[in-house]
Amino acid sequence: GDSVTQMEGPVTLSEEAFLTINCTYTATGYPSLFWYVQYPGEGLQLLLKATKADDKGSNKGFEATYRKETTSFHLEKGSVQVSDSAVYFCALRANQAGTALIFGKGTTLSVSS
Amino acid sequence: SQTIHQWPATLVQPVGSPLSLECTVEGTSNPNLYWYRQAAGRGLQLLFYSVGIGQISSEVPQNLSASRPQDRQFILSSKKLLLSDSGFYLCAWAATGGRETQYFGPGTRLLVL
Repeated sequence: GDSVTQMEGPVTLSEEAFLTINCTYTATGYPSLFWYVQYPGEGLQLLLKATKADDKGSNKGFEATYRKETTSFHLEKGSVQVSDSAVYFCALRANQAGTALIFGKGTTLSVSS
Repeated sequence: SQTIHQWPATLVQPVGSPLSLECTVEGTSNPNLYWYRQAAGRGLQLLFYSVGIGQISSEVPQNLSASRPQDRQFILSSKKLLLSDSGFYLCAWAATGGRETQYFGPGTRLLVL
C-alpha cells in the first residue's frame, strides 16, 4: 500500500541554519504531496503542497519539489528561525475522490537562538 | 471563510467510561470529514472518514465509532475507553470529492487513566 517515510528527528539547529527534512513516498499513480506543520499544543496547518511531478510548493520561506524520479518531496528552508520549531509531517493523498491522507511519522525541529 | 471547531480541547477520562468528541465545520457544504489520531511517538492514523450524512468508513477496527448526524457535524464516540485510546484526536475537512486540501481542527487531547 501507499506509504510515506520521513527522516527521524529530532532535528536541532541554530537560528539561520539551513534546513532539510527528507521525505520519500511509495504510491501507485501520481499522488498529491503535502507538508503540514504542528506547533506545540496545536492542530496541523498546511504548509505547502504539490499536485504533480516537478511542481514546487512554497510558503513562509519553506520549499519542496515533487520529484517523481526519486519519489521524494524534501522540505527545505534557507534560514530557520526559532519560531519554526515544530513538528513537520509529510503526507500524500492518492488522486481518488474521498481518499484520506497518509502521513509520515513526523519530524521534530528545534531551533535555538 | 471556512472554520473547523473541535471540543473539548482537553479531556481526562477513566478506563471504561464513554467518550464523545465533536467536530463542526462552518462556511462550506457537504464536506468530506475525517477523524485522525496521533498517539505519543507515532504519526497520524486515519480512524474514520465520511463523504456525507450517515456515511462512515472505518479504517482501523477498534472500540471507537463515528457518526455524522448533520452535514457539518462529525462525532467520535466510544462506549468504553481503553488506556490505548489516549492520544491527540484531530478532525479535518476537505471540499466535496476529497481531492482538495484537508484542513485540520485544533484537536482534542484525550488522556485515559
